[in-house]
Amino acid sequence: EVQLLESGGGLVQPGGSLRLSCAASGFSFSSYAMSWVRQAPGKGLEWVSSISGSGDSTYYGDSVKGRFTTSRDNSKTTVYLQMNSLRADDTAVYFCAKTTYSSGYPSHVDVWGKGTTVTVSS
Amino acid sequence: EIVLTQSPATLSVSPGERATLSCRASQSVSSNLAWYQQTPGQAPRLLIYDASNRATGIPAKFSGSGSGTDFTLTISSLEPEDFAVYYCQQRGSWPFTFGQGTKLEIK
Repeated sequence: EVQLLESGGGLVQPGGSLRLSCAASGFSFSSYAMSWVRQAPGKGLEWVSSISGSGDSTYYGDSVKGRFTTSRDNSKTTVYLQMNSLRADDTAVYFCAKTTYSSGYPSHVDVWGKGTTVTVSS
Repeated sequence: EIVLTQSPATLSVSPGERATLSCRASQSVSSNLAWYQQTPGQAPRLLIYDASNRATGIPAKFSGSGSGTDFTLTISSLEPEDFAVYYCQQRGSWPFTFGQGTKLEIK
């Protein structure tokens, strides 16, 4: 069974940093891209970032570019989201997402984690 | 950035009836569109990918169609568990984007 378990969420002050982790199991981890998708309270979904299976390629949404960094450790089947310079509008549930490939490019999410909550507030 | 506009924002349908949800893209995404279902407090679930392909385990009552800029998700014979929020998502170009969602509620 495919499982994605996020951790690392919590309360952080504006301007602070946080690192999320997502431990994956049940599939060939390095064969899949991984993504982070977030959902602000009462709002819709926002694609934050993706990383290729090898970790060589990363993609970021405009709202987080330059502040967030996605990485992965295939030996630990874990993907990370380092979040710096956090703002109030980064407050959201962050979902880890197993992402399929199409033509060598990330495509759609076929498995979602349960999410971890990040709250940015003083 | 490609903007996806879903309509209607809320759709009221009776159980047993059919629901038709729309997603329109601000520019062509070819067939690079997926649909997800989300119930309260849960993670989304993939229903349809590449506009018309059902994901593993998704019943035939869910069907997707369209290409270019106009897409439709049709759900037949609505059951209580189908009442949820539905999102479309494009992978035609980065950054990937979602529509704002359609809430399907019981009439």
